[in-house]
Amino acid sequence: DAGVIQSPRHEVTEMGQEVTLRCKPISGHDYLFWYRQTMMRGLELLIYFNNNVPIDDSGMPEDRFSAKMPNASFSTLKIQPSEPRDSAVYFCASSFVGEQFFGPGTRLTVL
Amino acid sequence: QKEVEQDPGPLSVPEGAIVSLNCTYSNSAFQYFMWYRQYSRKGPELLMYTYSSGNKEDGRFTAQVDKSSKYISLFIRDSQPSDSATYLCAMSGTLSGGSYIPTFGRGTSLIVHP
Repeated sequence: DAGVIQSPRHEVTEMGQEVTLRCKPISGHDYLFWYRQTMMRGLELLIYFNNNVPIDDSGMPEDRFSAKMPNASFSTLKIQPSEPRDSAVYFCASSFVGEQFFGPGTRLTVL
Repeated sequence: QKEVEQDPGPLSVPEGAIVSLNCTYSNSAFQYFMWYRQYSRKGPELLMYTYSSGNKEDGRFTAQVDKSSKYISLFIRDSQPSDSATYLCAMSGTLSGGSYIPTFGRGTSLIVHP
């Protein structure tokens, strides 16, 4: 298995632009998590899905952030409009029982 | 106060040293305690997990949990430059199902120099 796949690996955009991050979880995993990691705040859970259904989005910082999981093999995290304070590494993780498997992350820079 | 506190470091040690990494927590419902290792520009990977109090050993790594003090530790013996990474503690009330959502510490950056 290729593990959790995220794209793009790096994204540089200008303030106000829309950003879409993509994730393909490990086949057979029924939980999918989106995290944001910064030096100041560490790893923060934004939202998680179970069987494609959003369960808890209380970590999503504001309405500019949205996430979807249209099927078991694909999820997106969208930021619209983006702001410089959104600059961070965004991780997707998936799990079946217990251990979470993380993707390589998307490093987002908003200028 | 955050639920899980972890000193971000960096912690710099010479090769061969014994390393001690620690976390404190406030939620007494936590039963599962995990350590993730994150290399630079990679995602975290599960290193070890323990249930409730006690010790667990895996090669050069020992995880220790003291629930009475709400304190967990990861010891690395004979540290190697390849151990240089950020170590994140994480804990949860269960290990599966809907309530398994780990709470992570900020991570401690470890540098092992030759």
